[in-house]
Amino acid sequence: EAQVTQNPRYLITVTGKKLTVTCSQNMNHEYMSWYRQDPGLGLRQIYYSMNVEVTDKGDVPEGYKVSRKEKRNFPLILESPSPNQTSLYFCASSPLTGGAFYEQYFGPGTRLTVT
Amino acid sequence: GNSVTQMEGPVTLSEEAFLTINCTYTATGYPSLFWYVQYPGEGLQLLLKATKADDKGSNKGFEATYRKETTSFHLEKGSVQVSDSAVYFCALFIWNSGNTPLVFGKGTRLSVIA
Repeated sequence: EAQVTQNPRYLITVTGKKLTVTCSQNMNHEYMSWYRQDPGLGLRQIYYSMNVEVTDKGDVPEGYKVSRKEKRNFPLILESPSPNQTSLYFCASSPLTGGAFYEQYFGPGTRLTVT
Repeated sequence: GNSVTQMEGPVTLSEEAFLTINCTYTATGYPSLFWYVQYPGEGLQLLLKATKADDKGSNKGFEATYRKETTSFHLEKGSVQVSDSAVYFCALFIWNSGNTPLVFGKGTRLSVIA
């Protein structure tokens, strides 16, 4: 089954304790991205990647890191989480055909709480 | 930069009512336009799309037409059902140097009551 998986689905942690949220897709998609969803602010892009070893900042990259060492995986790293990073996070992937973008497939979301 | 503005919610309708959710965009160039839907507790999924002016995207009874002259992509459905209750996001995609390629609106929550 074609899908984007994220782990963990729920996480409660404390300020400053490094964490990684994994994202994996099995569709051989080139493009992957991370979003955070907050009430009243909608969906904001954190980082995106157009292919292996190619990553770019989105609109709200501060406090986050990503890596794309393999095509299927795109982990989100919070080196020193803070309470303002409490949010619902989504990973997404999509094919890039001739540079055109057609559809993003979203993971189920990771609800992160930082105390 | 590129941006998407959609009507504030929440929108509450009775079953079988007509739905319109407005969406307008600002972009340098000619973006592709999308509507995504998020059901409770789930991730977003593509509802429909249009890639050039005057294209009409349609799916599950929903429609939206790409209007370049008004930079709009309003979502419509003739008769909503309780199962349509969800959050709807308008989005655009365009490659611009220095800008995030995919931009979402803030979402509009729709509640349909029986």
